[in-house]
Amino acid sequence: QVQLVQSGAEVKKPGASVKVSCKASGYIFTGYYVHWVRQAPGQGLEWMGWINPNTDATEYAQKFQGRVTMTRDTSISTAYMELRSLTSDDTAVYYCVRQYSDSSGYYYDAFDFWGQGTMVTVSS
Amino acid sequence: SSELTQDPAVSVALGQTVRITCQGDSLRSYFTSWYQQKPGQAPVLVIYGKNNRPYGQSNRPSGIPDRFSGSASGSTASLTITGAQAEDEADYYCNSRDRSGWVFGGGTKLTVL
Repeated sequence: QVQLVQSGAEVKKPGASVKVSCKASGYIFTGYYVHWVRQAPGQGLEWMGWINPNTDATEYAQKFQGRVTMTRDTSISTAYMELRSLTSDDTAVYYCVRQYSDSSGYYYDAFDFWGQGTMVTVSS
Repeated sequence: SSELTQDPAVSVALGQTVRITCQGDSLRSYFTSWYQQKPGQAPVLVIYGKNNRPYGQSNRPSGIPDRFSGSASGSTASLTITGAQAEDEADYYCNSRDRSGWVFGGGTKLTVL
C-alpha cells in the first residue's frame, strides 16, 4: 500500500532552518510528483511547491522562493523540504503529498496520498 | 491571500443535500479537486477531475461514497453531498492550479445538524 512517512516534530528558533523528510513506499517513487503543503494552527492549507523525483525539477510558490529547497534521494525513495530563515509565521504542520497519476502516466490536478504531517514550531 | 474563495461555514440537516462552492478565475482553465479534513487528520481527496479542457465529469477515488459529487461552471466549482451523514462533518478545501502554481481555497467548515 502507498505510504508517505514523514520525519518527526521539530522545534526551531527564529532565523534557523528546518529540513523535513518524506519516505515513500508502495509505489515507484520516480513516477509521481511530490508536493509540499503546510497548514498553520487553525488555518487553511497552503501550497509550497513540488519536485519531480525523476528529473529533480522543482517549482516553488512565489511566497517561498529563495527560502525553500526541495530535494530527493531516489536511492531511498525520500523527498526533502528545507525551509530557511524561519519566523513564528512558519509554525505549521507540513505535509508531503503525492500528485495523482494513473497507469498511463496521465497526471491529474489532485493529491491522492498525504503524509501524516510534521509539526514545525518556531519559537524563541 | 487565497485566490480561491469559499464560504467559511455551511450547515446541513442530516440526510439533506448540501453544496459547497469555490470561486476563482483559475477554475475557468483548470480542474478543481476537493479535500475533506477532519480534526487532527491529514486531508483526504474526495473529488478530482482531468488535466484538460473542457471540463469532464468529476471523479471519486475508490472508497469515497457516491453521495459526493463535483461540478463546475465558469469560475465556480461545487462539491455536492447528497444525503449528508454525520461523518461528513469536516472542513472541505478546494484546490486547483493557477498561473503561478497551485492554490487552495480558504476552506469551508461543514456542520451536520
